[in-house]
Amino acid sequence: NAGVTQTPKFQVLKTGQSMTLQCAQDMNHNSMYWYRQDPGMGLRLIYYSASEGTTDKGEVPNGYNVSRLNKREFSLRLESAAPSQTSVYFCASSEPGHRDGIVYFGPGTRLTVT
Amino acid sequence: QKEVEQNSGPLSVPEGAIASLNCTYSDRVSQSFFWYRQYSGKSPELIMSIYSNGDKEDGRFTAQLNKASQYVSLLIRDSQPSDSATYLCAVKREAAGNKLTFGGGTRVLVKP
Repeated sequence: NAGVTQTPKFQVLKTGQSMTLQCAQDMNHNSMYWYRQDPGMGLRLIYYSASEGTTDKGEVPNGYNVSRLNKREFSLRLESAAPSQTSVYFCASSEPGHRDGIVYFGPGTRLTVT
Repeated sequence: QKEVEQNSGPLSVPEGAIASLNCTYSDRVSQSFFWYRQYSGKSPELIMSIYSNGDKEDGRFTAQLNKASQYVSLLIRDSQPSDSATYLCAVKREAAGNKLTFGGGTRVLVKP
Protein backbone atom coordinates (compact mmCIF):
# COMPACT_ATOMS: atom_id res chain seq x y z
CA ASN A 1 0.00 0.00 0.00
CA ALA A 2 1.23 3.49 -0.85
CA GLY A 3 -0.58 5.06 2.14
CA VAL A 4 -1.14 8.78 1.56
CA THR A 5 0.33 10.29 -1.58
CA GLN A 6 0.59 13.96 -2.52
CA THR A 7 1.54 15.86 -5.65
CA PRO A 8 3.50 17.92 -6.33
CA LYS A 9 6.39 17.63 -3.87
CA PHE A 10 7.65 21.15 -4.54
CA GLN A 11 6.05 24.20 -6.11
CA VAL A 12 6.98 27.84 -6.61
CA LEU A 13 4.19 30.27 -7.40
CA LYS A 14 4.04 33.96 -8.04
CA THR A 15 1.63 36.08 -6.02
CA GLY A 16 -1.84 35.83 -7.51
CA GLN A 17 -1.33 32.51 -9.27
CA SER A 18 -3.57 29.56 -8.52
CA MET A 19 -2.84 25.88 -8.06
CA THR A 20 -4.33 22.66 -6.77
CA LEU A 21 -2.58 20.25 -4.43
CA GLN A 22 -3.63 16.66 -4.98
CA CYS A 23 -3.93 13.98 -2.32
CA ALA A 24 -4.99 10.35 -2.39
CA GLN A 25 -5.09 7.54 0.18
CA ASP A 26 -5.48 3.81 -0.32
CA MET A 27 -6.28 2.83 3.29
CA ASN A 28 -10.06 3.12 2.86
CA HIS A 29 -10.19 5.87 5.49
CA ASN A 30 -13.26 8.03 5.78
CA SER A 31 -11.57 11.11 7.27
CA MET A 32 -9.08 13.24 5.37
CA TYR A 33 -7.29 16.45 6.32
CA TRP A 34 -5.15 19.25 5.00
CA TYR A 35 -2.60 20.80 7.37
CA ARG A 36 0.01 23.48 6.93
CA GLN A 37 3.24 23.60 8.90
CA ASP A 38 5.21 26.75 9.53
CA PRO A 39 8.37 27.03 11.66
CA GLY A 40 7.52 27.05 15.37
CA MET A 41 3.78 26.88 14.66
CA GLY A 42 3.27 23.15 14.61
CA LEU A 43 0.64 21.74 12.31
CA ARG A 44 -2.49 23.80 11.75
CA LEU A 45 -5.65 22.34 10.26
CA ILE A 46 -6.86 24.06 7.09
CA TYR A 47 -9.82 21.88 6.09
CA TYR A 48 -11.02 18.40 6.80
CA SER A 49 -13.51 15.94 5.39
CA ALA A 50 -15.24 13.48 7.68
CA SER A 51 -16.58 11.46 4.78
CA GLU A 52 -17.08 11.55 1.04
CA GLY A 53 -19.22 14.53 0.12
CA THR A 54 -18.57 16.55 3.28
CA THR A 55 -15.98 19.21 4.05
CA ASP A 56 -15.52 21.58 6.99
CA LYS A 57 -13.25 24.46 7.84
CA GLY A 58 -10.40 24.00 10.24
CA GLU A 59 -8.31 26.54 12.11
CA VAL A 60 -6.89 28.47 9.11
CA PRO A 61 -9.23 28.10 6.07
CA ASN A 62 -8.96 31.60 4.58
CA GLY A 63 -7.53 31.63 1.07
CA TYR A 64 -8.15 27.92 0.47
CA ASN A 65 -10.84 25.70 -0.97
CA VAL A 66 -11.13 21.92 -0.95
CA SER A 67 -12.87 19.18 -2.85
CA ARG A 68 -13.49 15.64 -1.63
CA LEU A 69 -13.66 14.07 -5.06
CA ASN A 70 -14.37 10.55 -3.78
CA LYS A 71 -13.41 8.45 -0.78
CA ARG A 72 -9.78 8.27 -1.90
CA GLU A 73 -9.06 11.82 -3.06
CA PHE A 74 -9.05 15.20 -1.31
CA SER A 75 -7.67 18.25 -3.10
CA LEU A 76 -6.67 21.69 -1.82
CA ARG A 77 -6.89 24.74 -4.05
CA LEU A 78 -5.24 28.11 -3.68
CA GLU A 79 -7.21 30.51 -5.86
CA SER A 80 -4.88 33.52 -5.56
CA ALA A 81 -1.63 32.66 -3.84
CA ALA A 82 -0.10 35.06 -1.33
CA PRO A 83 3.38 35.06 0.26
CA SER A 84 1.72 34.24 3.61
CA GLN A 85 0.77 30.88 2.11
CA THR A 86 4.42 29.86 1.80
CA SER A 87 4.48 26.72 3.89
CA VAL A 88 4.71 22.95 3.91
CA TYR A 89 1.34 21.34 3.25
CA PHE A 90 0.48 17.89 4.53
CA CYS A 91 -2.48 15.79 3.55
CA ALA A 92 -3.54 13.14 6.05
CA SER A 93 -6.19 10.53 6.68
CA SER A 94 -7.59 8.57 9.58
CA GLU A 95 -10.35 6.26 10.68
CA PRO A 96 -13.26 8.04 12.38
CA GLY A 97 -14.17 7.51 16.00
CA HIS A 98 -11.86 6.59 18.86
CA ARG A 99 -8.85 6.06 16.63
CA ASP A 100 -9.20 9.28 14.64
CA GLY A 101 -6.29 10.81 16.50
CA ILE A 102 -4.11 8.26 14.76
CA VAL A 103 -3.44 10.20 11.61
CA TYR A 104 -1.40 9.06 8.64
CA PHE A 105 0.41 11.82 6.79
CA GLY A 106 1.51 12.17 3.20
CA PRO A 107 5.07 13.24 2.33
CA GLY A 108 4.19 16.93 2.09
CA THR A 109 4.26 19.67 -0.54
CA ARG A 110 6.75 22.50 -0.08
CA LEU A 111 5.16 25.63 -1.50
CA THR A 112 6.91 28.95 -1.97
CA VAL A 113 4.98 32.03 -3.04
CA THR A 114 7.10 34.91 -4.27
CA GLN B 1 -2.31 30.99 25.69
CA LYS B 2 -1.84 28.31 23.05
CA GLU B 3 -4.09 25.30 23.31
CA VAL B 4 -1.12 22.92 23.25
CA GLU B 5 2.29 24.13 24.39
CA GLN B 6 5.71 22.58 24.10
CA ASN B 7 9.21 23.86 24.71
CA SER B 8 10.72 24.28 21.25
CA GLY B 9 14.19 23.15 22.37
CA PRO B 10 16.57 22.00 21.18
CA LEU B 11 16.77 19.42 23.93
CA SER B 12 20.29 18.09 23.79
CA VAL B 13 20.91 14.71 25.44
CA PRO B 14 23.94 12.40 25.37
CA GLU B 15 23.57 9.00 23.79
CA GLY B 16 22.22 6.48 26.28
CA ALA B 17 20.55 9.08 28.49
CA ILE B 18 16.84 9.70 29.07
CA ALA B 19 15.17 12.45 27.08
CA SER B 20 12.16 13.99 28.84
CA LEU B 21 9.66 16.00 26.81
CA ASN B 22 6.70 17.87 28.23
CA CYS B 23 3.46 19.16 26.79
CA THR B 24 0.69 21.14 28.45
CA TYR B 25 -2.82 21.68 27.16
CA SER B 26 -5.54 24.14 28.03
CA ASP B 27 -8.76 22.28 27.20
CA ARG B 28 -9.63 20.40 30.38
CA VAL B 29 -12.11 18.10 28.64
CA SER B 30 -9.53 16.72 26.19
CA GLN B 31 -9.59 12.95 26.20
CA SER B 32 -6.97 11.63 23.80
CA PHE B 33 -3.29 12.46 23.53
CA PHE B 34 -0.66 11.56 20.97
CA TRP B 35 3.04 11.92 20.32
CA TYR B 36 4.25 12.19 16.75
CA ARG B 37 7.88 12.12 15.63
CA GLN B 38 9.02 14.16 12.65
CA TYR B 39 12.44 13.81 11.09
CA SER B 40 13.82 16.85 9.30
CA GLY B 41 12.19 17.20 5.89
CA LYS B 42 9.81 14.30 6.49
CA SER B 43 6.20 13.94 7.54
CA PRO B 44 5.06 13.23 11.12
CA GLU B 45 4.51 9.65 12.23
CA LEU B 46 2.69 8.41 15.30
CA ILE B 47 4.83 6.89 18.04
CA MET B 48 2.53 6.87 21.09
CA SER B 49 -1.08 7.37 22.06
CA ILE B 50 -2.44 7.63 25.60
CA TYR B 51 -6.02 7.97 26.77
CA SER B 52 -6.03 7.50 30.56
CA ASN B 53 -4.03 8.83 33.49
CA GLY B 54 -0.76 7.14 34.26
CA ASP B 55 2.06 5.66 32.23
CA LYS B 56 2.06 3.77 28.98
CA GLU B 57 5.22 2.06 27.82
CA ASP B 58 6.16 0.96 24.32
CA GLY B 59 9.74 -0.17 23.91
CA ARG B 60 12.05 2.69 24.82
CA PHE B 61 9.19 5.18 24.88
CA THR B 62 6.96 5.97 27.86
CA ALA B 63 4.06 8.38 27.70
CA GLN B 64 2.74 9.86 30.93
CA LEU B 65 -0.61 11.58 31.31
CA ASN B 66 -1.87 13.70 34.19
CA LYS B 67 -5.29 15.11 33.36
CA ALA B 68 -5.63 16.96 36.67
CA SER B 69 -2.50 18.97 35.91
CA GLN B 70 -3.22 19.02 32.17
CA TYR B 71 0.10 17.74 30.99
CA VAL B 72 1.39 14.85 29.01
CA SER B 73 5.03 13.86 28.77
CA LEU B 74 7.20 11.55 26.72
CA LEU B 75 10.29 9.79 28.00
CA ILE B 76 12.82 8.29 25.63
CA ARG B 77 15.09 5.85 27.42
CA ASP B 78 18.54 4.87 26.17
CA SER B 79 18.42 7.71 23.63
CA GLN B 80 20.04 6.98 20.27
CA PRO B 81 21.26 9.38 17.57
CA SER B 82 18.39 8.04 15.44
CA ASP B 83 15.99 9.59 17.99
CA SER B 84 17.14 13.06 16.89
CA ALA B 85 13.95 14.59 15.52
CA THR B 86 11.14 16.97 16.39
CA TYR B 87 8.47 15.52 18.64
CA LEU B 88 4.96 16.87 18.26
CA CYS B 89 2.37 16.61 21.00
CA ALA B 90 -1.21 16.39 19.76
CA VAL B 91 -4.45 16.61 21.68
CA LYS B 92 -7.89 15.62 20.51
CA ARG B 93 -10.07 18.52 21.61
CA GLU B 94 -13.84 18.55 21.80
CA ALA B 95 -13.76 22.34 21.27
CA ALA B 96 -12.05 21.73 17.93
CA GLY B 97 -14.72 19.30 16.78
CA ASN B 98 -12.70 16.38 18.14
CA LYS B 99 -9.93 17.12 15.68
CA LEU B 100 -6.27 17.09 16.64
CA THR B 101 -4.56 20.26 17.85
CA PHE B 102 -0.78 20.12 17.65
CA GLY B 103 1.85 21.81 19.73
CA GLY B 104 4.79 23.54 18.08
CA GLY B 105 7.10 20.59 18.68
CA THR B 106 10.26 19.96 20.67
CA ARG B 107 13.46 19.40 18.76
CA VAL B 108 15.60 16.66 20.30
CA LEU B 109 19.28 16.27 19.53
CA VAL B 110 21.02 13.10 20.71
CA LYS B 111 24.78 13.47 20.72
CA PRO B 112 27.02 10.38 20.36
